[in-house]
Amino acid sequence: GAGVSQTPSNKVTEKGKYVELRCDPISGHTALYWYRQSLGQGPEFLIYFQGTGAADDSGLPNDRFFAVRPEGSVSTLKIQRTERGDSAVYLCASSRTGDTGELFFGEGSRLTVL
Amino acid sequence: KQEVTQIPAALSVPEGENLVLNCSFTDSAIYNLQWFRQDPGKGLTSLLLIQSSQREQTSGRLNASLDKSSGRSTLYIAASQPGDSATYLCAVKGQGAQKLVFGQGTRLTINP
Repeated sequence: GAGVSQTPSNKVTEKGKYVELRCDPISGHTALYWYRQSLGQGPEFLIYFQGTGAADDSGLPNDRFFAVRPEGSVSTLKIQRTERGDSAVYLCASSRTGDTGELFFGEGSRLTVL
Repeated sequence: KQEVTQIPAALSVPEGENLVLNCSFTDSAIYNLQWFRQDPGKGLTSLLLIQSSQREQTSGRLNASLDKSSGRSTLYIAASQPGDSATYLCAVKGQGAQKLVFGQGTRLTINP
């Protein structure tokens, strides 16, 4: 596609529920990143994929958070047993490996946990 | 651990002024530095990317400089316009690392 696509754009859920957020990167971009942004803050790194594998998951806050990228393209961020503190905008970015290293971001998925 | 700081947190100026946004980082061993713009409720739009070997990059009315040894970058906006109002974020990628580390951003308001 022309840009990074994220769905849903907005998700409201209840505490304790399971949530999936999807990211479709720019075609041909092998690197994919998930970030989380709270109101008034800069984005915080969650996880980085190179192809199908998670090369760096050091930013995942706890084991309720998990992400996959089974075919090296689309990625899904999964949050189990959601808590009110998980409310944030979840941003996805992609880049072309071996290139300038420039990251391109999607519009984000705004998650609200009631 | 890389830390990125942006000063000021907010800035309000009249239309037409030239202005400078500041970004500092603690670890000078960077691969590149990227400036982004974020409009309310939107994602990040890449403005300028400076590789570690470069001193500056220009795009239209925007000029970004990099002084790696002092751990600083500036974003210069010439002849500011109300449409420039947004939050500006800088982020650095460390050598050997793939993730970007972000500052908290500068919220810029250009008054007509």
